Amino acid sequence: GESVGLHLPTLSVQEGDNSIINCAYSNSASDYFIWYKQESGKGPQFIIDIRSNMDKRQGQRVTVLLNKTVKHLSLQIAATQPGDSAVYFCAEMPGNQFYFGTGTSLTVIP
Amino acid sequence: GAGVSQSPSNKVTEKGKDVELRCDPISGHTALYWYRQSLGQGLEFLIYFQGNSAPDKSGLPSDRFSAERTGGSVSTLTIQRTQQEDSAVYLCASSRDRRNTIYFGEGSWLTVV
Repeated sequence: GESVGLHLPTLSVQEGDNSIINCAYSNSASDYFIWYKQESGKGPQFIIDIRSNMDKRQGQRVTVLLNKTVKHLSLQIAATQPGDSAVYFCAEMPGNQFYFGTGTSLTVIP
Repeated sequence: GAGVSQSPSNKVTEKGKDVELRCDPISGHTALYWYRQSLGQGLEFLIYFQGNSAPDKSGLPSDRFSAERTGGSVSTLTIQRTQQEDSAVYLCASSRDRRNTIYFGEGSWLTVV
Protein backbone atom coordinates (compact mmCIF):
# COMPACT_ATOMS: atom_id res chain seq x y z
CA GLY A 1 0.00 0.00 0.00
CA GLU A 2 0.94 3.65 -0.06
CA SER A 3 2.92 5.20 2.72
CA VAL A 4 3.82 8.70 3.62
CA GLY A 5 6.46 9.00 6.27
CA LEU A 6 7.85 11.72 8.46
CA HIS A 7 11.49 11.75 9.45
CA LEU A 8 10.91 13.12 12.96
CA PRO A 9 7.90 12.20 15.05
CA THR A 10 8.54 15.08 17.48
CA LEU A 11 10.17 18.46 17.13
CA SER A 12 10.78 21.14 19.76
CA VAL A 13 11.79 24.66 18.79
CA GLN A 14 12.33 27.92 20.61
CA GLU A 15 9.77 30.63 20.03
CA GLY A 16 10.98 32.90 17.25
CA ASP A 17 13.14 30.27 15.59
CA ASN A 18 12.34 28.73 12.24
CA SER A 19 10.90 25.20 12.09
CA ILE A 20 11.42 22.61 9.41
CA ILE A 21 9.20 19.55 9.22
CA ASN A 22 10.12 16.87 6.73
CA CYS A 23 8.15 14.26 4.86
CA ALA A 24 9.24 11.39 2.61
CA TYR A 25 6.66 10.11 0.17
CA SER A 26 6.72 6.78 -1.56
CA ASN A 27 4.94 7.12 -4.89
CA SER A 28 6.76 8.86 -7.72
CA ALA A 29 3.39 9.28 -9.45
CA SER A 30 2.17 11.64 -6.72
CA ASP A 31 1.51 15.03 -8.24
CA TYR A 32 -0.30 16.89 -5.49
CA PHE A 33 0.75 17.43 -1.90
CA ILE A 34 -0.81 19.14 1.08
CA TRP A 35 0.34 20.06 4.57
CA TYR A 36 -2.21 20.05 7.39
CA LYS A 37 -1.98 21.27 10.96
CA GLN A 38 -3.95 19.51 13.67
CA GLU A 39 -4.27 21.05 17.11
CA SER A 40 -5.29 18.94 20.05
CA GLY A 41 -8.99 18.13 19.95
CA LYS A 42 -9.55 19.66 16.53
CA GLY A 43 -9.77 18.52 12.93
CA PRO A 44 -6.88 18.92 10.47
CA GLN A 45 -6.54 22.43 9.10
CA PHE A 46 -5.23 23.10 5.59
CA ILE A 47 -1.94 25.02 5.63
CA ILE A 48 -0.49 24.98 2.14
CA ASP A 49 -0.41 22.81 -0.96
CA ILE A 50 1.89 22.29 -3.90
CA ARG A 51 1.59 20.54 -7.23
CA SER A 52 4.40 18.62 -8.83
CA ASN A 53 5.06 21.24 -11.51
CA MET A 54 6.47 23.46 -8.75
CA ASP A 55 9.36 23.00 -6.33
CA LYS A 56 8.56 25.80 -3.92
CA ARG A 57 5.50 27.63 -2.74
CA GLN A 58 5.19 30.32 -0.10
CA GLY A 59 2.35 31.32 2.14
CA GLN A 60 2.09 33.48 5.18
CA ARG A 61 5.09 32.49 7.34
CA VAL A 62 5.12 29.05 5.69
CA THR A 63 7.04 27.64 2.75
CA VAL A 64 6.68 24.22 1.20
CA LEU A 65 9.59 22.71 -0.74
CA LEU A 66 9.21 19.74 -3.04
CA ASN A 67 12.13 17.63 -4.23
CA LYS A 68 10.77 15.09 -6.67
CA THR A 69 14.18 13.55 -7.29
CA VAL A 70 14.37 12.19 -3.76
CA LYS A 71 10.62 12.21 -3.10
CA HIS A 72 10.91 14.65 -0.25
CA LEU A 73 8.60 17.37 0.98
CA SER A 74 9.28 19.90 3.69
CA LEU A 75 7.33 22.56 5.53
CA GLN A 76 9.19 25.57 6.82
CA ILE A 77 7.59 27.81 9.42
CA ALA A 78 9.23 31.17 9.95
CA ALA A 79 9.41 32.84 13.36
CA THR A 80 7.61 29.97 15.09
CA GLN A 81 4.99 31.03 17.62
CA PRO A 82 3.38 29.16 20.53
CA GLY A 83 0.20 28.91 18.45
CA ASP A 84 2.11 26.81 15.94
CA SER A 85 2.33 23.95 18.43
CA ALA A 86 0.39 21.11 16.83
CA VAL A 87 0.75 17.91 14.82
CA TYR A 88 1.62 18.48 11.19
CA PHE A 89 0.59 15.99 8.49
CA CYS A 90 1.89 15.57 5.00
CA ALA A 91 -0.47 14.14 2.38
CA GLU A 92 0.25 12.92 -1.14
CA MET A 93 -2.07 12.19 -4.04
CA PRO A 94 -0.74 9.72 -6.63
CA GLY A 95 -4.08 9.15 -8.30
CA ASN A 96 -7.48 10.08 -7.02
CA GLN A 97 -6.99 9.52 -3.32
CA PHE A 98 -4.96 11.20 -0.60
CA TYR A 99 -2.59 9.25 1.64
CA PHE A 100 -1.62 10.71 4.98
CA GLY A 101 1.34 10.20 7.28
CA THR A 102 1.05 9.84 11.04
CA GLY A 103 2.35 13.34 11.61
CA THR A 104 5.09 15.24 13.43
CA SER A 105 4.34 16.84 16.76
CA LEU A 106 5.75 20.36 16.96
CA THR A 107 6.22 21.94 20.37
CA VAL A 108 7.16 25.60 20.64
CA ILE A 109 9.05 26.55 23.75
CA PRO A 110 8.23 30.09 24.95
CA GLY B 1 -21.85 26.79 5.16
CA ALA B 2 -18.47 28.32 5.89
CA GLY B 3 -16.86 25.03 6.78
CA VAL B 4 -17.49 21.34 7.14
CA SER B 5 -19.89 20.78 10.02
CA GLN B 6 -20.05 17.53 11.97
CA SER B 7 -22.36 16.31 14.70
CA PRO B 8 -22.31 15.16 17.38
CA SER B 9 -18.93 16.50 18.41
CA ASN B 10 -18.73 13.89 21.16
CA LYS B 11 -20.58 10.63 21.59
CA VAL B 12 -20.31 8.02 24.32
CA THR B 13 -22.20 4.84 23.59
CA GLU B 14 -22.50 1.39 25.05
CA LYS B 15 -21.00 -1.57 23.28
CA GLY B 16 -23.54 -3.12 20.93
CA LYS B 17 -25.50 0.06 20.29
CA ASP B 18 -25.80 1.72 16.88
CA VAL B 19 -24.52 5.26 16.28
CA GLU B 20 -25.08 7.79 13.53
CA LEU B 21 -22.61 10.53 12.72
CA ARG B 22 -23.60 13.44 10.54
CA CYS B 23 -21.59 15.57 8.13
CA ASP B 24 -22.64 18.75 6.37
CA PRO B 25 -20.01 19.60 3.73
CA ILE B 26 -19.00 22.98 2.41
CA SER B 27 -21.67 24.33 0.08
CA GLY B 28 -20.92 23.50 -3.54
CA HIS B 29 -18.42 20.75 -2.77
CA THR B 30 -19.24 17.65 -4.77
CA ALA B 31 -16.72 15.34 -3.10
CA LEU B 32 -17.19 14.09 0.46
CA TYR B 33 -14.89 11.84 2.47
CA TRP B 34 -15.06 10.00 5.78
CA TYR B 35 -11.85 9.18 7.64
CA ARG B 36 -11.15 7.59 10.99
CA GLN B 37 -8.33 8.63 13.30
CA SER B 38 -7.37 6.55 16.29
CA LEU B 39 -5.21 7.92 19.10
CA GLY B 40 -1.74 8.67 17.79
CA GLN B 41 -2.52 7.22 14.38
CA GLY B 42 -2.77 8.63 10.90
CA LEU B 43 -5.95 9.12 8.96
CA GLU B 44 -7.66 5.94 7.80
CA PHE B 45 -9.80 6.32 4.69
CA LEU B 46 -13.32 4.94 5.06
CA ILE B 47 -15.55 6.04 2.20
CA TYR B 48 -15.76 8.62 -0.56
CA PHE B 49 -18.73 10.19 -2.38
CA GLN B 50 -18.48 12.10 -5.65
CA GLY B 51 -21.61 13.69 -6.99
CA ASN B 52 -24.14 11.07 -8.07
CA SER B 53 -21.53 8.38 -8.70
CA ALA B 54 -21.44 5.15 -6.75
CA PRO B 55 -19.44 5.69 -3.55
CA ASP B 56 -15.97 4.26 -3.05
CA LYS B 57 -16.50 2.03 0.00
CA SER B 58 -13.12 0.33 -0.17
CA GLY B 59 -12.01 1.65 3.23
CA LEU B 60 -14.95 0.51 5.34
CA PRO B 61 -13.48 -1.90 7.93
CA SER B 62 -16.50 -4.20 8.25
CA ASP B 63 -20.13 -4.58 7.22
CA ARG B 64 -21.12 -2.89 10.49
CA PHE B 65 -20.10 0.39 8.85
CA SER B 66 -22.22 2.11 6.23
CA ALA B 67 -22.69 5.62 4.92
CA GLU B 68 -25.07 7.47 2.73
CA ARG B 69 -25.22 10.89 1.21
CA THR B 70 -28.63 12.35 0.54
CA GLY B 71 -29.26 14.88 -2.19
CA GLY B 72 -25.56 15.21 -2.88
CA SER B 73 -25.04 17.14 0.34
CA VAL B 74 -25.40 15.88 3.91
CA SER B 75 -23.86 12.51 4.73
CA THR B 76 -24.48 10.08 7.58
CA LEU B 77 -21.99 7.45 8.75
CA THR B 78 -23.67 4.62 10.64
CA ILE B 79 -21.88 2.12 12.83
CA GLN B 80 -24.00 -0.83 13.92
CA ARG B 81 -23.37 -2.95 17.00
CA THR B 82 -20.47 -0.79 18.09
CA GLN B 83 -17.34 -2.39 19.50
CA GLN B 84 -14.70 -0.86 21.74
CA GLU B 85 -12.23 -0.83 18.86
CA ASP B 86 -14.57 1.56 17.05
CA SER B 87 -13.58 4.27 19.54
CA ALA B 88 -11.88 6.97 17.48
CA VAL B 89 -12.37 10.35 15.93
CA TYR B 90 -14.45 10.22 12.77
CA LEU B 91 -13.51 13.02 10.42
CA CYS B 92 -15.53 14.22 7.48
CA ALA B 93 -13.98 16.26 4.68
CA SER B 94 -15.15 17.80 1.44
CA SER B 95 -13.62 19.23 -1.71
CA ARG B 96 -14.79 20.87 -4.92
CA ASP B 97 -13.91 17.66 -6.70
CA ARG B 98 -11.60 14.71 -6.18
CA ARG B 99 -8.40 16.39 -7.34
CA ASN B 100 -8.65 19.45 -5.15
CA THR B 101 -7.84 20.38 -1.59
CA ILE B 102 -9.95 18.62 1.00
CA TYR B 103 -11.18 20.55 4.02
CA PHE B 104 -11.94 18.77 7.26
CA GLY B 105 -14.56 19.19 9.93
CA GLU B 106 -13.71 19.16 13.63
CA GLY B 107 -14.60 15.50 13.91
CA SER B 108 -16.98 13.36 15.94
CA TRP B 109 -15.23 11.84 18.95
CA LEU B 110 -16.73 8.40 19.54
CA THR B 111 -16.14 6.44 22.73
CA VAL B 112 -17.57 2.96 23.06
CA VAL B 113 -17.77 1.72 26.66
